[in-house]
Amino acid sequence: GQQVMQIPQYQHVQEGEDFTTYCNSSTTLSNIQWYKQRPGGHPVFLIQLVKSGEVKKQKRLTFQFGEAKKNSSLHITATQTTDVGTYFCAGRASGSARQLTFGSGTQLTVLP
Amino acid sequence: DTGVSQDPRHKITKRGQNVTFRCDPISEHNRLYWYRQTLGQGPEFLTYFQNEAQLEKSRLLSDRFSAERPKGSFSTLEIQRTEQGDSAMYLCASSLGGGNVLANYGYTFGSGTRLTVV
Repeated sequence: GQQVMQIPQYQHVQEGEDFTTYCNSSTTLSNIQWYKQRPGGHPVFLIQLVKSGEVKKQKRLTFQFGEAKKNSSLHITATQTTDVGTYFCAGRASGSARQLTFGSGTQLTVLP
Repeated sequence: DTGVSQDPRHKITKRGQNVTFRCDPISEHNRLYWYRQTLGQGPEFLTYFQNEAQLEKSRLLSDRFSAERPKGSFSTLEIQRTEQGDSAMYLCASSLGGGNVLANYGYTFGSGTRLTVV
């Protein structure tokens, strides 16, 4: 079955440093979504990428979808304490427009 | 309230007992999903409804698990003869749905039901 892997599993950064998490799928994806889960909270939708090579920005967050549509990344510039949480990618396999398969997430800690 | 509601928030049950959880999705959303999440892991897909039809069910899902969405609105997830391995956060999510994969169909998750089997 489809597998979605994320690295790193944990990342500690000093406030103001940049952060990147990487997502790789075992199969080609029709699209990929990113979610943020704060400690004790539930996943919250951030963005969806659909096109090969697509890049989208939300303020300090930059999302990329690989050319082969099998990998993606999330980059946060100049992290803030409010960025703390676990970031999940979730891929929808080509041919299926229904369920998302979530990665195991990258837990970000920002030290003040 | 325009979010996804789940009830109860917490459930402690003895091994072997049956439990039922409820999810009220966003009213405009025709798709409803159940996921399970354990500590340090991403949400794991359980099942999916489009309106009242259950269209997908994880192959990993035991026969002890059943879900319904009788009128295409709220949904229930029942676990029969609970086991300690069923302890997890059970998340419900809803989204719009359709054939256009270019549309923004992000999931809206509820706060979850935390199940502890003792």
